[in-house]
Amino acid sequence: EAQVTQNPRYLITVTGKKLTVTCSQNMNHEYMSWYRQDPGLGLRQIYYSMNVEVTDKGDVPEGYKVSRKEKRNFPLILESPSPNQTSLYFCASSLQGGSTFFGQGTRLTVV
Amino acid sequence: DAKTTQPPSMDCAEGRAANLPCNHSTISGNEYVYWYRQIHSQGPQYIIHGLKNNETNEMASLIITEDRKSSTLILPHATLRDTAVYYCIVSPQYGNKLVFGAGTILRVKS
Repeated sequence: EAQVTQNPRYLITVTGKKLTVTCSQNMNHEYMSWYRQDPGLGLRQIYYSMNVEVTDKGDVPEGYKVSRKEKRNFPLILESPSPNQTSLYFCASSLQGGSTFFGQGTRLTVV
Repeated sequence: DAKTTQPPSMDCAEGRAANLPCNHSTISGNEYVYWYRQIHSQGPQYIIHGLKNNETNEMASLIITEDRKSSTLILPHATLRDTAVYYCIVSPQYGNKLVFGAGTILRVKS
């Protein structure tokens, strides 16, 4: 089954403790991205990757890092999480110009 | 900034057609109209997209006006499971960034 898998689905952490949210897709898509969703602000793109070793900032990249060492994986790294990064996060993948598939989301709480 | 305008909410009776409008008056020639929906807090789900011709798939139909300044998503026989936020997005086909607006909350009622 074609899918985008994120882990963990839920995470509560403390300010400053580094964390990684993993994302993997099984569709051989070149394009992958991360979004965050906040009440009243909608879905906003954090980072995207056009292909392996090619990443770029989206609209709200501050406080986040990404890497794309393999085509299928696109982890989101929070080096020093802060409470304003409490949000619902979605990983997505697509072929160039195709429809986008989203993961089921990671609900992150930073206390 | 989102380049589309949608009504904030709509109601539809179960079994009836749901017609969701979208205005995109500043759409450019290389931009497609995409529709996604988000059920509760799940990941958004692709529904359909089109350039200028009407499109139909197993989920929905997309009607785009001749001047391409507006479109309508049609769910032919809405069910309770179609209750969701529906997003209309314009984007170049060969660009993959999706800019989400507030969308339309569709409530299907029995």
